[in-house]
Amino acid sequence: GQQLNQSPQSMFIQEGEDVSMNCTSSSIFNTWLWYKQEPGEGPVLLIALYKAGELTSNGRLTAQFGITRKDSFLNISASIPSDVGIYFCAGPAPNAGGTSYGKLTFGQGTILTVHP
Amino acid sequence: DGGITQSPKYLFRKEGQNVTLSCEQNLNHDAMYWYRQDPGQGLRLIYYSQIVNDFQKGDIAEGYSVSREKKESFPLTVTSAQKNPTAFYLCASTDWEFNEQFFGPGTRLTVL
Repeated sequence: GQQLNQSPQSMFIQEGEDVSMNCTSSSIFNTWLWYKQEPGEGPVLLIALYKAGELTSNGRLTAQFGITRKDSFLNISASIPSDVGIYFCAGPAPNAGGTSYGKLTFGQGTILTVHP
Repeated sequence: DGGITQSPKYLFRKEGQNVTLSCEQNLNHDAMYWYRQDPGQGLRLIYYSQIVNDFQKGDIAEGYSVSREKKESFPLTVTSAQKNPTAFYLCASTDWEFNEQFFGPGTRLTVL
């Protein structure tokens, strides 16, 4: 099945620094989703991308849908302590017939720690 | 407010007992999902349901069962056959048009 490779696995940064993380797929995706999960909570959808080359922002977060449709990037500018959490990328996981039925494949997550 | 609720937030059970986790959504989504998350790990799909009265096994269905009698509800039963049930369980539902999946707050199950 499809696999998503997310990197880096973890990041330790100082408050105010910018953050970059990425996700690569072994096959083409038509949608890329980025989630943030805080400790003890469910993931929250941050940004959804639907077109190759698309660049979308949500406050200090910016995500891009790679031109090859096999990768996506998430950047966080001027990090603050509340950015701490696990960031997941995800995309539809089609079966052999090409229909995902809403199922998603998730990356393993990037654990972000921000030091004040 | 539209959203997904899971109850309880924390659940403790003795080994060998079945336990049912609740998931309710008022987003009018057809599809619902159950995931398991272990410490430091990603999300693994247990079961999913695309429509009422229908559900399919995910990647780690052994030891779990589900029902989907109403569109709004998708309860998960962790049976005594599940060898390592202590984990964080997440319920989600999907807007099919956009493939955007929304999650509940999770239930942390601890089996003593």
